[in-house]
Amino acid sequence: SAVISQKPSRDICQRGTSLTIQCQVDSQVTMMFWYRQQPGQSLTLIATANQGSEATYESGFVIDKFPISRPNLTFSTLTVSNMSPEDSSIYLCSVERRARGFSYEQYFGPGTRLTVT
Amino acid sequence: GESVGLHLPTLSVQEGDNSIINCAYSNSASDYFIWYKQESGKGPQFIIDIRSNMDKRQGQRVTVLLNKTVKHLSLQIAATQPGDSAVYFCAENTFSGGSNYKLTFGKGTLLTVNP
Repeated sequence: SAVISQKPSRDICQRGTSLTIQCQVDSQVTMMFWYRQQPGQSLTLIATANQGSEATYESGFVIDKFPISRPNLTFSTLTVSNMSPEDSSIYLCSVERRARGFSYEQYFGPGTRLTVT
Repeated sequence: GESVGLHLPTLSVQEGDNSIINCAYSNSASDYFIWYKQESGKGPQFIIDIRSNMDKRQGQRVTVLLNKTVKHLSLQIAATQPGDSAVYFCAENTFSGGSNYKLTFGKGTLLTVNP
């Protein structure tokens, strides 16, 4: 398994400001993922962050709004820029680790609950 | 388009009963499926997975069944306990280019276990 921590665990922010969320993993991983989970909804992939390369964004998400850093194999940050109330969500980081043959288990952090007022 | 969805948004069972959570998928090219459990205030937790060349896989108190003919996935929980109360998501693993892949999550089913 993998132990993943996120900071902050929650925050209340004013519209127009930006928040940077940190994700720390207890071991080196190649692929890290950032997801958004709106209240009562499922998870939506924002981007995939591999160390040493630019993050790959999913349809509907852009780098200017959600810049990502991946400075090493155990750490990543996601910034939510110029926030609006629609950005209120839980943001989760995840890492992939192959286990037991074909399994590509993804482990998730506890999430960062963001409220934008 | 590609989608992964659930038949039942909520499921309420008595403690000790067996639970069955269902999921439909539409991407016949998907070759790997995972079930996750998400408790309130926590991130999703891996439960069990299955590859498309399998019909059934068993874990501890959980079984996943895959019916590729009708593109249907189910999670069976035996002797459901109050600690099983959570939202359960199925996820579909699809390749996104090169050696990369991504998970597409279904909508989720809220399981409530009554003592």
